[in-house]
Amino acid sequence: AQSVAQPEDQVNVAEGNPLTVKCTYSVSGNPYLFWYVQYPNRGLQFLLKYITGDNLVKGSYGFEAEFNKSQTSFHLKKPSALVSDSALYFCAVRDSGDYKLSFGAGTTVTVRA
Amino acid sequence: DTAVSQTPKYLVTQMGNDKSIKCEQNLGHDTMYWYKQDSKKFLKIMFSYNNKELIINETVPNRFSPKSPDKAHLNLHINSLELGDSAVYFCASRRQGAQETQYFGPGTRLLVL
Repeated sequence: AQSVAQPEDQVNVAEGNPLTVKCTYSVSGNPYLFWYVQYPNRGLQFLLKYITGDNLVKGSYGFEAEFNKSQTSFHLKKPSALVSDSALYFCAVRDSGDYKLSFGAGTTVTVRA
Repeated sequence: DTAVSQTPKYLVTQMGNDKSIKCEQNLGHDTMYWYKQDSKKFLKIMFSYNNKELIINETVPNRFSPKSPDKAHLNLHINSLELGDSAVYFCASRRQGAQETQYFGPGTRLLVL
């Protein structure tokens, strides 16, 4: 069984401040971890993923995420948030032995000017 | 060039009608998915096909029937539409291997009246 949790429904930050969106996961095998962003009335856009290798992965638009196996976490971070980063962010996990991708409930990020 | 396309983009229909949503990907991927996103933005997988074979069939009413005429297409037919079917339906295709990523279509917004 696999699952993913995003403990915060909303994250509010001021432009220029660091942004963190939290994600924890549970799998029985090896985790494949992903972050997606959804802008209003749009489809999901891929940001970054961890499959194997370096625990710190860098993705689109200046985002990065750190895979922490002991804490089963994959938090999304951006050092300096922009107003245009305001969107809905989804964390997702796939167990290495499964075809299915399970999504978290999503976190709405609002960056104020 | 659109990687994953869906038609129609919007669909407004009466209860009891039968409707279809079409999805096409030009990425050469073997695996395609249908997801449902409800009004609270929860994303739930419905079906997945790999090389035209059904591999994921979640707990979905049998009024929903996927069809994959070839690897590039995955259509969703819905019989006897109900009010609760109103949602956004996303198609996705998956690139496998070390560069694994799911690519999402723009969504079909279904409103059942």
